[in-house]
Amino acid sequence: GEDVEQSLFLSVREGDSSVINCTYTDSSSTYLYWYKQEPGAGLQLLTYIFSNMDMKQDQRLTVLLNKKDKHLSLRIADTQTGDSAIYFCAESMAGGSYIPTFGRGTSLIVHP
Amino acid sequence: GAGVSQSPSNKVTEKGKDVELRCDPISGHTALYWYRQSLGQGLEFLIYFQGNSAPDKSGLPSDRFSAERTGGSVSTLTIQRTQQEDSAVYLCASSFSGNVFGELFFGEGSRLTVL
Repeated sequence: GEDVEQSLFLSVREGDSSVINCTYTDSSSTYLYWYKQEPGAGLQLLTYIFSNMDMKQDQRLTVLLNKKDKHLSLRIADTQTGDSAIYFCAESMAGGSYIPTFGRGTSLIVHP
Repeated sequence: GAGVSQSPSNKVTEKGKDVELRCDPISGHTALYWYRQSLGQGLEFLIYFQGNSAPDKSGLPSDRFSAERTGGSVSTLTIQRTQQEDSAVYLCASSFSGNVFGELFFGEGSRLTVL
């Protein structure tokens, strides 16, 4: 079955880079996502990567995908206090119903 | 508003009572999802609707849980005879279509506390 694993906490200093890691088990995953949840709010899609890609960059965000190891990472450059949130990794397969499987979420705490 | 709306935002109930949670998706979104977020457990998939039908109910934890969707729009999640382990935040999301890649838009959730 599908399983997505993430570490629960990450603490960084403002201005440093943050790297949030995720592993998944389903080799047929087609799309992999990062969602962000700010306190008291619902999840919001931050970025995604298609399984035939190795890297995707979007401003301060860099997503790296290692299909062999089934490892996904999200790097946030120049981390700001406003980046403090819970980050969820998720996967899904194309075809059939699209039901993302989410990890437990990584709480990112940014210290000034 | 244009986003996914959920009500109530907070619900405190006594063990054994029934509760109803409502989700109003973004207009035009055909797919609707219910997830449950418990402390340290991440997001647990409950049920998925495509239009008014629910092709996947596999995540409902017991027969005390049911959901319906009417008019291809509003959905209601009903929990009968609530138990303390039902305490969680219930999140609803919608997307334009459930059959191809589509960004999920989440509501702010309904926090359920069962005493």
